[in-house]
Amino acid sequence: EAGVAQSPRYKIIEKRQSVAFWCNPISGHATLYWYQQILGQGPKLLIQFQNNGVVDDSQLPKDRFSAERLKGVDSTLKIQPAKLEDSAVYLCASSRADTSYEQYFGPGTRLTVT
Amino acid sequence: SQQGEEDPQALSIQEGENATMNCSYKTSINNLQWYRQNSGRGLVHLILIRSNEREKHSGRLRVTLDTSKKSSSLLITASRAADTASYFCATDGAGKSTFGDGTTLTVKP
Repeated sequence: EAGVAQSPRYKIIEKRQSVAFWCNPISGHATLYWYQQILGQGPKLLIQFQNNGVVDDSQLPKDRFSAERLKGVDSTLKIQPAKLEDSAVYLCASSRADTSYEQYFGPGTRLTVT
Repeated sequence: SQQGEEDPQALSIQEGENATMNCSYKTSINNLQWYRQNSGRGLVHLILIRSNEREKHSGRLRVTLDTSKKSSSLLITASRAADTASYFCATDGAGKSTFGDGTTLTVKP
């Protein structure tokens, strides 16, 4: 089966600009996750969707980050405006159902904010 | 704050040796998973162990879980240079998945 797709793979922007990331999960996977991974740290959950609904967005900086998952399939994560500390790898993952199942990760998008 | 914490932060061994890394957590969990991340790549799932299980094997991997001590260990036997990567534990509690900061394993040929 095809894996989790993400685009773009790399993005460089200036602070205060906006950026959007796209994720296409594995077909049939109900749950989709967005993580932020800062260099040298583990992935930090930003938002978790189950089908169309948000299960957990407690660590999403809602003043600048937004995410949506239309029709329970693809998802986009947006940052507006970006700050220097947003420089990180943004990982998308999907799982068959909930967190009791293994997660399949995409290759990530490396964001550099200058 | 992170739920799972891996120990050690870094581990360097010779090819053929065994590698053991540990994960401790603070609150009760439904399951615990181990993932591997090669440099610049996404995470790959290795093994899932549920809270009612004590040990699981997959190839050269052995995972134990001690819920009374709130800890898990990952053992990689007969390590290879290709095992060089970062290893993360992820705890699942109340439907929320939380990763630690990982153990960086270097296997020298």
